[in-house]
Amino acid sequence: EVQLVESGGGLVQPGGSLRLSCAASGFTFSSYSMNWVRQAPGKGLEWVSYISSSTSIIYYADSVKGRFTISRDNAKNSLYLQMNSLRDEDTAVYYCARDWGQRAASYYFYAMDGWGQGTTVTVSS
Amino acid sequence: DIQMTQSPSSLSASVGDRVAITCRASQSISSYLNWYQQKPGKAPKLLIYAASSLQSGVPSRFSGSGSGTDFTLTISSLQPEDFATYYCQQSYSTLYTFGQGTKLEIK
Repeated sequence: EVQLVESGGGLVQPGGSLRLSCAASGFTFSSYSMNWVRQAPGKGLEWVSYISSSTSIIYYADSVKGRFTISRDNAKNSLYLQMNSLRDEDTAVYYCARDWGQRAASYYFYAMDGWGQGTTVTVSS
Repeated sequence: DIQMTQSPSSLSASVGDRVAITCRASQSISSYLNWYQQKPGKAPKLLIYAASSLQSGVPSRFSGSGSGTDFTLTISSLQPEDFATYYCQQSYSTLYTFGQGTKLEIK
């Protein structure tokens, strides 16, 4: 069973930094790409960042590019999100999610099939 | 970026009803469309992937259809545990995007 546990959230002032962690278990972490997804209070889901299993491919949403850095340590089965220059609008619950691919004909279809419980980040003075 | 638009934004229905939620992409995304269910205070749960494939363990009353730009999530007979918010998400682009969500409420 996929288990993902986020930590590291908290209250931080605008302009500050925070590092989120996601501990994975129940699957071979090093074989899967991973994502961070966030949800502002009362709002919908927003994809934040993606990292491939080998860390060779990384993507960011425009809203966080240049401020957030995704990384992973496959030896520790852990995913990270370093968040710098935080803004009020970064206030959200942050989820880590496993990127899961299914092959159909000659194509792979990807979805996020396992999620953590989320960690809350509040940016406020 | 590919924009995903869901309709309706909210929906009231009764137990036993058949409901449909639609999702439209701003460009063709083939069948790279997923559906998630989220209950208050909980993480999202994958229901449908590749537009119409049911995720393991998800009840068969859930179904998905569509390709290109227009997609539909159908719940054939609503159960009490189905009242939640539903999101579509495209995986055609490497920059994933979600719809704004559809809140399904009890009438």
